[in-house]
Amino acid sequence: QKEVEQDPGPLSVPEGAIVSLNCTYSNSAFQYFMWYRQYSRKGPELLMYTYSSGNKEDGRFTAQVDKSSKYISLFIRDSQPSDSATYLCAMGFGNEKLTFGTGTRLTIIP
Amino acid sequence: GAVVSQHPSWVICKSGTSVKIECRSLDFQATTMFWYRQFPKQSLMLMATSNEGSKATYEQGVEKDKFLINHASLTLSTLTVTSAHPEDSSFYICSAILTSGELFFGEGSRLTVL
Repeated sequence: QKEVEQDPGPLSVPEGAIVSLNCTYSNSAFQYFMWYRQYSRKGPELLMYTYSSGNKEDGRFTAQVDKSSKYISLFIRDSQPSDSATYLCAMGFGNEKLTFGTGTRLTIIP
Repeated sequence: GAVVSQHPSWVICKSGTSVKIECRSLDFQATTMFWYRQFPKQSLMLMATSNEGSKATYEQGVEKDKFLINHASLTLSTLTVTSAHPEDSSFYICSAILTSGELFFGEGSRLTVL
């Protein structure tokens, strides 16, 4: 079993829809949880950073962490074609290397 | 967010030559940086952890003599691909971590070995 599981997709949704991206993990020691967006041939861009359980909202993006279920989610409201990218979840426990999901390829259809 | 700059963004070299890629943290000091390799449509593969003032820690299966990493200052880490071959062609990405745990990536460097 991988330490972090993420559905690779691809996931296609119509413009304006709500997108739900998810990751599960097995290491209960993880404390920091992040979501990255990566466009083709570009480095990943940090979208959301959360510490421990709870919700965090930033514009159209909402990150949820449920440590009891070892489950994190990223919601994208009012999805736009420019949101089409690969989304990576990542988690860690301090100033050390992160563990990444495999990434979900998302396409928003105009 | 913090800015990590990577240079060059694109490099083509002949087989057998060495190529150096630089990774700089522009607005913060980075004790620890990471180097990744990414093949098309695949996820990031961690190659090594670069620690300022000490030897890099390489992941299993990564040849340390092939991929030389130097982290001589708190704002600069370099990756040198020595005696490059076509199979070394890939997208190399660096990242730097803040004390908060947030990790920021460079723009990536695409290496093509002819």
